[in-house]
Amino acid sequence: EVLLAESGGGSVQPGGSLRLSCAASGFTSSDYWMHWVRQAPGKGLVWVSCIEGDGSRTKYADFVKGRFTISRDNAKNTLYLQMNSLRAEDTAVYYCTRDFSNLGFDYWGQGTLVTVSS
Amino acid sequence: QFVLTQPPSVSAAPGQKVTISCSGSSSKIGNSYVSWYQQLPGTAPKLLIHDNNKRPSGIPDRFSGSKSGTSATLGIIGLQTGDEANYYCATWDSSLDAGVFGGGTKLTVL
Repeated sequence: EVLLAESGGGSVQPGGSLRLSCAASGFTSSDYWMHWVRQAPGKGLVWVSCIEGDGSRTKYADFVKGRFTISRDNAKNTLYLQMNSLRAEDTAVYYCTRDFSNLGFDYWGQGTLVTVSS
Repeated sequence: QFVLTQPPSVSAAPGQKVTISCSGSSSKIGNSYVSWYQQLPGTAPKLLIHDNNKRPSGIPDRFSGSKSGTSATLGIIGLQTGDEANYYCATWDSSLDAGVFGGGTKLTVL
């Protein structure tokens, strides 16, 4: 069974940092691009970042470039999102998701809430 | 704010059909595949359609997807009260080199 489980969310002050993790199981993670998608409270889905199966390529939304870093450790089947210089507008539930075909996200984690507030 | 345009809401009666549009541009939708997601309150999104018109295993054929030019459409027939949810389209934007979602459409089954 494919499972994705995020962790690492919490409350942080503006300008602070958090590292999210996404533990994958039930599939060979190196075979897939993996993505982070976020959703602010009561708002829509927003794409954040993605990383190729072997970690060689990464992509970011403009609003996180230079602040967030996506990475993965395939030996541990874990995806990461290092978030620095956090802003209030980064407050959201962050989902990790598997891309099996052209942004066809077939499995999602349960999400982890990040709250940026003073 | 969102680079893919969806109607904020649509509604129809049980048993009827509804379509949800997703409008982009040549750099988004025009030269990329579109996927569609259903999100029930308090849950993670669920993939309904990928690669414009393909249904994953387990998705009923009441759901269909199509794409023409720079627009895509999700169709749902035989509406059920359980279909009440928010629906999102997504694609890759080749000019931004980034993924993009539509703003979402709330479906009400009256």
